[in-house]
Amino acid sequence: AQSVTQLDSHVSVSEGTPVLLRCNYSSSYSPSLFWYVQHPNKGLQLLLKYTSAATLVKGINGFEAEFKKSETSFHLTKPSAHMSDAAEYFCVVSDTNAGKSTFGDGTTLTVKP
Amino acid sequence: GAVVSQHPSWVICKSGTSVKIECRSLDFQATTMFWYRQFPKQSLMLMATSNEGSKATYEQGVEKDKFLINHASLTLSTLTVTSAHPEDSSFYICSATGWNTEAFFGQGTRLTVV
Repeated sequence: AQSVTQLDSHVSVSEGTPVLLRCNYSSSYSPSLFWYVQHPNKGLQLLLKYTSAATLVKGINGFEAEFKKSETSFHLTKPSAHMSDAAEYFCVVSDTNAGKSTFGDGTTLTVKP
Repeated sequence: GAVVSQHPSWVICKSGTSVKIECRSLDFQATTMFWYRQFPKQSLMLMATSNEGSKATYEQGVEKDKFLINHASLTLSTLTVTSAHPEDSSFYICSATGWNTEAFFGQGTRLTVV
């Protein structure tokens, strides 16, 4: 069984300030973890993924996430928010063996000018 | 990385008609494909899992006679929404996985039933 909890349904930051989107997971297997971004009326875009390699994962657009097994967390960060970062973000856990993905409820990121 | 192509990206259909959505793995053989649905301002929920050459396994609450899934080859799965109604309007997205690989997602299909 696997599950994922995004701890904040909404996050609001000012442009140029850091972004932190929190995600905790549970999995019976060694999981693969992903962060996706979805802009309004658009599909999913993969930001980054963790698949049992380096625990600090760097993604596109300056985002990165750190896999912490002891805390069962995979928080997404960015040093400086940009207006174009405003979107819905999904943390996803996948059973690598089966490929079945479980999505978190999503976090809406708002970036204020 | 691997590419999964989903077509069409958006479709509008009349109530009572059927709509077919295709999901293709372009550069790998997809042994398993998954179909998800996303209602407005909600997360994605798994509808069904399909393995190549066998019947799909549907999640609880998903009508298998309404959402027909075919996975006849290692590169193509289709989802047909039969007798669509406005409440079926949603964002549908597929993902595909090969032998012991992670899942790769398509870009999604926005269905509007009028």
